[in-house]
Amino acid sequence: AQSVTQLGSHVSVSEGALVLLRCNYSSSVPPYLFWYVQYPNQGLQLLLKYTSAATLVKGINGFEAEFKKSETSFHLTKPSAHMSDAAEYFCAVSWSYNNNDMRFGAGTRLTVKP
Amino acid sequence: DSGVTQTPKHLITATGQRVTLRCSPRSGDLSVYWYQQSLDQGLQFLIQYYNGEERAKGNILERFSAQQFPDLHSELNLSSLELGDSALYFCASTPAGSTGELFFGEGSRLTVL
Repeated sequence: AQSVTQLGSHVSVSEGALVLLRCNYSSSVPPYLFWYVQYPNQGLQLLLKYTSAATLVKGINGFEAEFKKSETSFHLTKPSAHMSDAAEYFCAVSWSYNNNDMRFGAGTRLTVKP
Repeated sequence: DSGVTQTPKHLITATGQRVTLRCSPRSGDLSVYWYQQSLDQGLQFLIQYYNGEERAKGNILERFSAQQFPDLHSELNLSSLELGDSALYFCASTPAGSTGELFFGEGSRLTVL
């Protein structure tokens, strides 16, 4: 079955440190890949998306992600964490434009320490 | 502000009751999706409508139903509520021809006591 896995339900980094949130998917067909962020008491907001163009995708707030087909991964990174990055991050995978097959990972809660 | 509006933001009710959650998609978006977010199940796709017609069903219980009206707003009806139905219910919409981006509302938090 097609699925998406986020490694680590909680990640804690110091302010200014590298952020790395991991996402792997299981599929023989390259999917569309997304990262969403959810701030407290808010809905999900798109950070970035991969749709078979460049493998390195830049998103909002300084985040970027790299699609690695050989590793079936789409890890999210940011060189220097800010306090405002504290939120829950979801990796999502879809195999169609309809999005009715979109699968979300379980989420990773990012804590940023001062 | 995503442009997707959900009401009510919070709802507390008792087991066995019925509630209706409402969603207004972004202007011009024809597709509406409903998701349930709970601690144990994560974010689960429930159902999708496109221009008034049901397009796909996910993990939606038979006690739940939804519809999309001609003005494109959507309602999710939850009946015979159980404690386990307590969750955040999100609505999302997407523009025609998009490559998958969903615009989420802020959710309706349902608490069943």
